[in-house]
Amino acid sequence: LAKTTQPISMDSYEGQEVNITCSHNNIATNDYITWYQQFPSQGPRFIIQGYKTKVTNEVASLFIPADRKSSTLSLPRVSLSDTAVYYCLVGEEDTGRRALTFGSGTRLQVQP
Amino acid sequence: DAGITQSPRHKVTETGTPVTLRCHQTENHRYMYWYRQDPGHGLRLIHYSYGVKDTDKGEVSDGYSVSRSKTEDFLLTLESATSSQTSVYFCAISAPEKGGNYGYTFGSGTRLTVV
Repeated sequence: LAKTTQPISMDSYEGQEVNITCSHNNIATNDYITWYQQFPSQGPRFIIQGYKTKVTNEVASLFIPADRKSSTLSLPRVSLSDTAVYYCLVGEEDTGRRALTFGSGTRLQVQP
Repeated sequence: DAGITQSPRHKVTETGTPVTLRCHQTENHRYMYWYRQDPGHGLRLIHYSYGVKDTDKGEVSDGYSVSRSKTEDFLLTLESATSSQTSVYFCAISAPEKGGNYGYTFGSGTRLTVV
């Protein structure tokens, strides 16, 4: 599995856009990029997944440059409830047999 | 999350005793996983299952065993609990064979304290 590097923590204010970048220099051709969100005392929750270019859903956008060596999770107009830990994972698309490996994630703190 | 339940939610046990945690799903997903989460380590995979009676070890499997006799239940057993196994345990399910980008669904966790 490709190793990922992301900031340990970030701070923001309500209403701002937050961009969390993840580096994955040794990403393989078959690897997808997946982001999870974890609130205190809860299990992680799937946010978004992509392979290349841009993916957008109701929660976030995921930007992946052409070389795929990094990716950026974008959270528009964050609120206090977006305070959580965000994990970037890289691996083959949910093969089941090769379970995902979670790093330490990025702890996002949103201030009023 | 709907469809996946962990029990118990909290447990305190004594060193040396066996402990079994249960993960129950109603989604009929093929794959199930047990993770532990400790401060500074993120989530680490203990064991996983890719079908009834088919399991495999993760990165931190020592001291743990699992069983899956039915699709819906995945049991994690600490054979002789130690203080180092104090942690929050999460179960997850996935269904890659069904396609789509749904990722893993995690349970709410079991907080285990070994005293």
